[in-house]
Amino acid sequence: SQTIHQWPATLVQPVGSPLSLECTVEGTSNPNLYWYRQAAGRGLQLLFYSVGIGQISSEVPQNLSASRPQDRQFILSSKKLLLSDSGFYLCAWSRASGHTGELFFGEGSRLTVL
Amino acid sequence: GQNIDQPTEMTATEGAIVQINCTYQTSGFNGLFWYQQHAGEAPTFLSYNVLDGLEEKGRFSSFLSRSKGYSYLLLKELQMKDSASYLCVVKDSNYQLIWGAGTKLIIKP
Repeated sequence: SQTIHQWPATLVQPVGSPLSLECTVEGTSNPNLYWYRQAAGRGLQLLFYSVGIGQISSEVPQNLSASRPQDRQFILSSKKLLLSDSGFYLCAWSRASGHTGELFFGEGSRLTVL
Repeated sequence: GQNIDQPTEMTATEGAIVQINCTYQTSGFNGLFWYQQHAGEAPTFLSYNVLDGLEEKGRFSSFLSRSKGYSYLLLKELQMKDSASYLCVVKDSNYQLIWGAGTKLIIKP
């Protein structure tokens, strides 16, 4: 069976510090991978998605970046965090095209920037 | 622009039935999802509709009318564990997912 895991689950970071959130998927190959951010009372905002190693599409201009160094690994990074980066970050995967596109989410990472 | 409308919050009684409505205006349509999200947790998939009509899965059913841009999620025999947010998500003509803000469902004993 497929599993997805992201970490850390919670973190508190000062403004201007770097960020690294990591996500790994097991039990499937060549998944589509996604990073979302969820603000309170709002819909999920797609930040990045990837259809393959080294292929990253950015949906929203921001001070965040993403990388996919391996087929089932997706990393969200920032060199200098802003207060507005606080939120609940979710990694997700889906099967390649031809399926419904159902998303499977990791546990989420709650980031507080102070 | 693209828009998903669903009520912010609903309250229902344990054992009862509740219907959560969703209306959408999107650039094309390629399917509609419902996800459940418990507080502090990640969303989990509930249902998928691409054709008009009702899809039933246990206590949960989801209905779609493409001509009306309308869907609802029906929850029967409500249990306390059903207290959660329910997210309506539409896949547009570019296969991009448009997420609603969610409906927080509160179940009272």
